[in-house]
Amino acid sequence: AQSVTQLDSQVPVFEEAPVELRCNYSSSVSVYLFWYVQYPNQGLQLLLKYLSGSTLVKGINGFEAEFNKSQTSFHLRKPSVHISDTAEYFCAVEMDSSYKLIFGSGTRLLVRP
Amino acid sequence: NAGVMQNPRHLVRRRGQEARLRCSPMKGHSHVYWYRQLPEEGLKFMVYLQKENIIDESGMPKERFSAEFPKEGPSILRIQQVVRGDSAAYFCASSPLASGSFSYEQYFGPGTRLTVT
Repeated sequence: AQSVTQLDSQVPVFEEAPVELRCNYSSSVSVYLFWYVQYPNQGLQLLLKYLSGSTLVKGINGFEAEFNKSQTSFHLRKPSVHISDTAEYFCAVEMDSSYKLIFGSGTRLLVRP
Repeated sequence: NAGVMQNPRHLVRRRGQEARLRCSPMKGHSHVYWYRQLPEEGLKFMVYLQKENIIDESGMPKERFSAEFPKEGPSILRIQQVVRGDSAAYFCASSPLASGSFSYEQYFGPGTRLTVT
């Protein structure tokens, strides 16, 4: 079965430190990859997406992610986090243009001063 | 340029009552998707609709849940005879008609948080 794994349920980090949120997926077909952010009691906002082309994708708010096909990963990174980045981050996969997004269980990023 | 709108934002129902959740897609979008987020979990796909058509309802529970997207008006997700386990956040997303090799990018609404008491 196709699945998305976010191994870290919570990642605490100090302000201005770098961060990496991990995402792995299982699929034997072509995929589109997404990272969404969810602030408390709000909906999901698209951070970035990989459809094709360059494997390094830059998104909003200084985030970037790298698609690694051999490792079936799409890890999210930011070189220097802010307090305002505290939120839940979801990795999602759309497999073989099927329109159905499959979400990971989320990673809570907690940025401390 | 309004985004995806959902109402109500919060809904409280007693066990056995009906819950009706509304979703108005972004202007120009003809595809609507419903997802459910249980506490401490990611979103799970429920149903995909186009105007007057259910395209994929493979994620919908077999009983008590139904969805529609009429020719006029918002998409409705209806839950009959709600139970405590239905308490969750329900998100609607919409997308435009895509072409070429690009994904049907989905834009999400703020969600409806259903609490069953």
